[in-house]
Amino acid sequence: AQSVTQLDSQVPVFEEAPVELRCNYSSSVSVYLFWYVQYPNQGLQLLLKYLSGSTLVKGINGFEAEFNKSQTSFHLRKPSVHISDTAEYFCAVSGSLRTSYGKLTFGQGTILTVHP
Amino acid sequence: DTGVSQNPRHKITKRGQNVTFRCDPISEHNRLYWYRQTLGQGPEFLTYFQNEAQLEKSRLLSDRFSAERPKGSFSTLEIQRTEQGDSAMYLCASSRSTGFTEAFFGQGTRLTVV
Repeated sequence: AQSVTQLDSQVPVFEEAPVELRCNYSSSVSVYLFWYVQYPNQGLQLLLKYLSGSTLVKGINGFEAEFNKSQTSFHLRKPSVHISDTAEYFCAVSGSLRTSYGKLTFGQGTILTVHP
Repeated sequence: DTGVSQNPRHKITKRGQNVTFRCDPISEHNRLYWYRQTLGQGPEFLTYFQNEAQLEKSRLLSDRFSAERPKGSFSTLEIQRTEQGDSAMYLCASSRSTGFTEAFFGQGTRLTVV
């Protein structure tokens, strides 16, 4: 079984400041990792994903994340946030296609609020 | 690419009534997923279709829930005898069947049971 823990339910930050949203996962098998963003009353949009290869993954809107296998973490970072980054962010994990069909297990979400 | 479409966007129903939601995936996507998201939580997997075959169902999907994808295109999710605990956002996602590809989500159907 897989699980995801997002360590902060809410993260307030001022505009142009850096931000890190923390995510830890547990899994007994190799995993694929994702970060999604959800704006109010909207579906989820993929920010970035780690499937294999380089542990530093770059995504859309200036976000990046680093896969750390030893610490089972996949923290999301942005060096300078904008008001428009205010949203809820979800970390998700999936197992192999053969066993999990690409289904995602999500964390509880982190609400990022960017203040002017 | 018109994206994943879900209808209706909002549904208010009385407890005990049946409701049906529709999901139209991206046209060339063979995989289709349903998730449920309650307030303050991340989405939870409900069920998965590969073409028209329903290959996995979560234990969250009680016998009051049924999902279909009759021709491998659109899918419906029906909830019978709705309960207040069914109030949630129901999300549909689709992806290609080759390799591990991004799942695209629809905007969801928000169900309120009164």
